Amino acid sequence: AQSVTQLDSQVPVFEEAPVELRCNYSSSVSVYLFWYVQYPNQGLQLLLKYLSGSTLVESINGFEAEFNKSQTSFHLRKPSVHISDTAEYFCAVTRSGGYNKLIFGAGTRLAVHP
Amino acid sequence: EPEVTQTPSHQVTQMGQEVILRCVPISNHLYFYWYRQILGQKVEFLVSFYNNEISEKSEIFDDQFSVERPDGSNFTLKIRSTKLEDSAMYFCASSEIGGFLSGGSGDTQYFGPGTRLTVL
Repeated sequence: AQSVTQLDSQVPVFEEAPVELRCNYSSSVSVYLFWYVQYPNQGLQLLLKYLSGSTLVESINGFEAEFNKSQTSFHLRKPSVHISDTAEYFCAVTRSGGYNKLIFGAGTRLAVHP
Repeated sequence: EPEVTQTPSHQVTQMGQEVILRCVPISNHLYFYWYRQILGQKVEFLVSFYNNEISEKSEIFDDQFSVERPDGSNFTLKIRSTKLEDSAMYFCASSEIGGFLSGGSGDTQYFGPGTRLTVL
């Protein structure tokens, strides 16, 4: 079975500051990893994913995450956040191979202040 | 860009009543999923569905729950006799056939905006 731990329930940060949202996972089999974002009163949107290959993956809006197998981590980073990045961020893991259920972390609420 | 849609956005019902939550997956997707998120808790997997059969279900998905693809576009979740603890946001998701190794994105699930179910 897989599990996900998001170490911070809330992360307050000032606009234009860097941010890291931490995610650790546990699994006895190979996995795929995802970050989803939930803006206020909206659904879950895929932010980025790691399936294979390069351990550093990027999103179109400046976020990146690095898969670290030895540390079993998939931390999300952004060098300079905007007010519009305020949202809840969910890390999720699934057994590799596709079509498997996603196991979600508890979420991290990112609050960007001016 | 194609999206998963869900109706209604908010459903209020009395305990013991039946509810049907509706989802329209992305048109070329063939794997469908339901998840739920009780307020303040994690998003939890309920069930996956492919080829008119349940592929996997969680412990939460008991006999009170059922899923159906009644036609070529809709995917529904029915709760036969709602309980107070069924109050949650219910998310539908879909994925296409073919993993990334074959050039597809079946490894990725795309979510709808959710239906907030309130059981009184």
